[in-house]
Amino acid sequence: EIVLTQSPATLSLSPGERATLSCRASQSISSDLAWYQHKPGQAPRLLIYDASNRATGIPARFSGSGSGTDFTLIISSLETEDLAVYYCQQRSKWPRTFGQGTKVEIK
Amino acid sequence: QVDLQESGPGLVKPSETLSLTCSVSGGSIPGYYWSWVRLAAGKGLEWVGRISPNGYTNYNPSLNSRATVSVDTSKNQFYLKLVSVTAADTAVYFCAREIVECVMTNCYAKWWFDPWGQGAPVTVSS
Repeated sequence: EIVLTQSPATLSLSPGERATLSCRASQSISSDLAWYQHKPGQAPRLLIYDASNRATGIPARFSGSGSGTDFTLIISSLETEDLAVYYCQQRSKWPRTFGQGTKVEIK
Repeated sequence: QVDLQESGPGLVKPSETLSLTCSVSGGSIPGYYWSWVRLAAGKGLEWVGRISPNGYTNYNPSLNSRATVSVDTSKNQFYLKLVSVTAADTAVYFCAREIVECVMTNCYAKWWFDPWGQGAPVTVSS
């Protein structure tokens, strides 16, 4: 099973700051990675798929990069509505797995 | 806009069967892949299982063959049954649709999930 390790566990930033979230895979997964946003009490939402493609309706401040084992989600200028837990997910190997999540807090 | 809503009992006794329903509105069940994903406290998301347009199912091996996903297209609903539950099955259970990409007449499941339901909390306790 591929283990996805996300860091940091919690990120506390002020509005307007840049958020950098990391996801590391235990073995190479090419570009088979997605990022999801999960706000409290809401349905999770797909942000990024195939490592770097924004899903429909996702603001341009969200961007993804990486391939192989190291991936990054960047929120270029944090907004208060970005308070959420962010998860990465791989589809390269069976079974499909998710990371433990990074909680983004707004100062 | 497709909307998914989970429903089911919030409390299940150990060794009994957990049964959840996902009601789909604003779209139809046929032609898509439908999954269940769960989130236990202090853990990450865990994919549970899915059903394909032709009724073929896949499950996470970690569940040791305890899960069954089924569908009722006449009701536009799909279901999860998890037998012999323990406290380790306590979680919020989400239903989700898988993105499908079609090229000409061939459609492929992408294993990316969107949209999701808001989740149904389930506690396993006596």
